[in-house]
Amino acid sequence: DGGITQSPKYLFRKEGQNVTLSCEQNLNHDAMYWYRQDPGQGLRLIYYSQIVNDFQKGDIAEGYSVSREKKESFPLTVTSAQKNPTAFYLCASGTTGESNQPQHFGDGTRLSIL
Amino acid sequence: GDSVTQMEGPVTLSEEAFLTINCTYTATGYPSLFWYVQYPGEGLQLLLKATKADDKGSNKGFEATYRKETTSFHLEKGSVQVSDSAVYFCALRTGGFKTIFGAGTRLFVKA
Repeated sequence: DGGITQSPKYLFRKEGQNVTLSCEQNLNHDAMYWYRQDPGQGLRLIYYSQIVNDFQKGDIAEGYSVSREKKESFPLTVTSAQKNPTAFYLCASGTTGESNQPQHFGDGTRLSIL
Repeated sequence: GDSVTQMEGPVTLSEEAFLTINCTYTATGYPSLFWYVQYPGEGLQLLLKATKADDKGSNKGFEATYRKETTSFHLEKGSVQVSDSAVYFCALRTGGFKTIFGAGTRLFVKA
């Protein structure tokens, strides 16, 4: 079955540490996205990518970095510069051409501070 | 810019009650409209969609009609169950590749 796999499901970060969240898709989608969700809140866009080796900042990119070396993969690094990283992180993928197609989401990674 | 406005939650209903969650949008062009559902600890799943005016999307007893004249896409279900307790997101997508999400509405259904 096609889908999006995020790992790990739970992640703990120590002070001053960078951590990387994995996102892999086998839907053959060109576009991939990272969102942050705080308790009781909606989604905020961190970064997105339309094509391999290209990505753009979303609304809250500070303290985060991404790479897109393969079509299937879009890892997110939460750097030590992100002072309040505790949140639920969602990865999504989608098409770039057809506006009637929805985004597909992974099951998320919950990041907490030790 | 494009935007989506949903009714604030939480919405608390008894089992078998009628559900309406309001959603209105602002968009240039002709967007496609979506409802997603998020169960606790999970990602978002597509619930239903409508791609043009007067289209009705439906799935699992939920329905929503694309109303261009009122720029609305309200979600309805005739008889909710405890298992429908979740957060519901209204969203739109125009010609680009980004989707605009509403803030989400949390639904609690009591037995």
